Amino acid sequence: GQQLNQSPQSMFIQEGEDVSMNCTSSSIFNTWLWYKQDPGEGPVLLIALYKAGELTSNGRLTAQFGITRKDSFLNISASIPSDVGIYFCAGFLNAGNNRKLIWGLGTSLAVNP
Amino acid sequence: DTEVTQTPKHLVMGMTNKKSLKCEQHMGHRAMYWYKQKAKKPPELMFVYSYEKLSINESVPSRFSPECPNSSLLNLHLHALQPEDSALYLCASSPVVGYQETQYFGPGTRLLVL
Repeated sequence: GQQLNQSPQSMFIQEGEDVSMNCTSSSIFNTWLWYKQDPGEGPVLLIALYKAGELTSNGRLTAQFGITRKDSFLNISASIPSDVGIYFCAGFLNAGNNRKLIWGLGTSLAVNP
Repeated sequence: DTEVTQTPKHLVMGMTNKKSLKCEQHMGHRAMYWYKQKAKKPPELMFVYSYEKLSINESVPSRFSPECPNSSLLNLHLHALQPEDSALYLCASSPVVGYQETQYFGPGTRLLVL
C-alpha cells in the first residue's frame, strides 16, 4: 500500500538536544497527524495539522504542514529521556472518497541521559 | 476526554480457541477502527465502522469477525487464528470517518497465538 517517506529512520541523541524529523510524499495531503508510540502501547496523538502552512506547537513539540501539502515536519526542543519512542506521521490523501490514513514507517528516537 | 479503552491488555490463545477483544469510547465518536500492528511497523487498517455499520473491510481473513453493538463499543471476535496473527491489535475512534478526522487510539491488546 501507499506509504509516506519518513526520515530519519532512527536517531540517537543526547538529552537536551533538539530533534527534527519529517515526512514527504509525491501526493497531496489534506491532513497531517503526528503520533508517538511507546513499546507495547497504542499511538498517542501529538499534533494534528489541517491547513497548508499551518504551524502548531504542543509544549516542546512543533509541527508544520508544508506549503506544497506534500510534506510535514516535527521538531522536539530540549529533548528529555521520556521522549524515547517511535514517532509516526500519518495523513489523509486529498483525493476521492478517501477514508484511510496513510502512515510513515516511523522514526525511532533514543535519548542518552 | 480522548480516551479509548481496550480489554484485555494481553491475550494468549491456541489455534483452536475462540476469544474476543473489546474496545470502548465515550467521546461520542461515530467512527471506530480496528488495526493490526507488527513490531516496529506502522498500524495496518483492518476494519472501519461508521455509524455502527461496517464500511471498510481491508480483505481481512474471516477468522477475524468484527462487531459494533452500539456507538460506544467495538468487538473483534477471534477464531482459529494462526501464529502469524500474533500482533498488537489497536482500536481507534474518530468523530466521523475520513476527511480531516483525527483518530484516537486505545492502548492495544497484545495477542500471542500458540
